[in-house]
Amino acid sequence: DAKTTQPNSMESNEEEPVHLPCNHSTISGTDYIHWYRQLPSQGPEYVIHGLTSNVNNRMASLAIAEDRKSSTLILHRATLRDAAVYYCILRDNNTNAGKSTFGDGTTLTVKP
Amino acid sequence: DVKVTQSSRYLVKRTGEKVFLECVQDMDHENMFWYRQDPGLGLRLIYFSYDVKMKEKGDIPEGYSVSREKKERFSLILESASTNQTSMYLCASGIRGTGELFFGEGSRLTVL
Repeated sequence: DAKTTQPNSMESNEEEPVHLPCNHSTISGTDYIHWYRQLPSQGPEYVIHGLTSNVNNRMASLAIAEDRKSSTLILHRATLRDAAVYYCILRDNNTNAGKSTFGDGTTLTVKP
Repeated sequence: DVKVTQSSRYLVKRTGEKVFLECVQDMDHENMFWYRQDPGLGLRLIYFSYDVKMKEKGDIPEGYSVSREKKERFSLILESASTNQTSMYLCASGIRGTGELFFGEGSRLTVL
């Protein structure tokens, strides 16, 4: 299974943009890139996903490199509520289950 | 809203006991997953299911089994609990393919 690599931790100031990187050099053509975040004492929640093109939604933007070997989750204006662990995962469209393996994620700290 | 409900938020069991963790989803999702989460290790996939009575091993299936007799319910079974199975257990569900995953709030199991 293709794996993802993320920095262990990042810091941001409140109301500034945050760029969270993810490397997935062994991504296959049928893998979708998903991002989830986990707040303390909660299960992970979906943030965004994409295949090749950049994606935007109300929570964030996802920028995908042309070769698809890396991606960046962009939070346009960080708030204190965005402090969480962010996971980048790959979901394989080539199997029935879309098996999903999570890595260690990036712990985002937002400073007021 | 999609809801994934895990039967118990907190459980305390003794070594050697049989433990059942139940997960129910209300959105007719084909795919269901069980993860465990330990400090510093992220989320690790135990088992997943892509249809009723169908199951596939994840990355750490040893010591666990699963049951999916109905589409909405996915059970994780510890036949003989051990102290190294003390952990947070997270259930997730999703549509077939690569749509977003929905997580429950987690079940924190302590084995004494």
